[in-house]
Amino acid sequence: KNEVEQSPQNLTAQEGEFITINCSYSVGISALHWLQQHPGGGIVSLFMLSSGKKKHGRLIATINIQEKHSSLHITASHPRDSAVYICAAFTSNTGNQFYFGTGTSLTVIP
Amino acid sequence: GAGVSQSPRYKVAKRGQDVALRCDPISGHVSLFWYQQALGQGPEFLTYFQNEAQLDKSGLPSDRFFAERPEGSVSTLKIQRTQQEDSAVYLCASSLGGGRVGYGYTFGSGTRLTVV
Repeated sequence: KNEVEQSPQNLTAQEGEFITINCSYSVGISALHWLQQHPGGGIVSLFMLSSGKKKHGRLIATINIQEKHSSLHITASHPRDSAVYICAAFTSNTGNQFYFGTGTSLTVIP
Repeated sequence: GAGVSQSPRYKVAKRGQDVALRCDPISGHVSLFWYQQALGQGPEFLTYFQNEAQLDKSGLPSDRFFAERPEGSVSTLKIQRTQQEDSAVYLCASSLGGGRVGYGYTFGSGTRLTVV
């Protein structure tokens, strides 16, 4: 079992739809990151969370520490949101380490 | 610069060639990670530095892989005698915090290595 599980693996949405990507983790974390990776491989850090909720533009990230679960929401989705979204859990329990989900590939159709 | 800079952005190498990938972390960042991401996979840990000390290199897949950070700032990941299975995106991340501090990691945009 992977330490970080994401769902869905693939997601296709119509422009304007509200999108949710889920991340569950089994390790104790110091922080959880949401990353966006475009087809060329470049990574952009979207959010770092240790509790609660953060919002940036049309993106919202939430985390429930007790349930070990985080969600990334995209409101009013747009084709330029098409990318792979990766959840990464950072833990310092057994030495500093990131555990990555395998990503959710999002395609937004105009 | 304002972020973690990786160079080159893209690298095509012939099988057997040696390559060097560079990571410029944010100035003053103590911790630095290297990750390898194969196509369609999540990133896999390679190695971790705290300042110039390589505290964990357990993820380096073979002795062809070597990483250094001699002055505790810029880090270089070197791959000798590249093979096709080395083709991947190599990611660098750095943080101001050292030791057990886990916040504030910034990722570079990655270097995509293709071995032909």
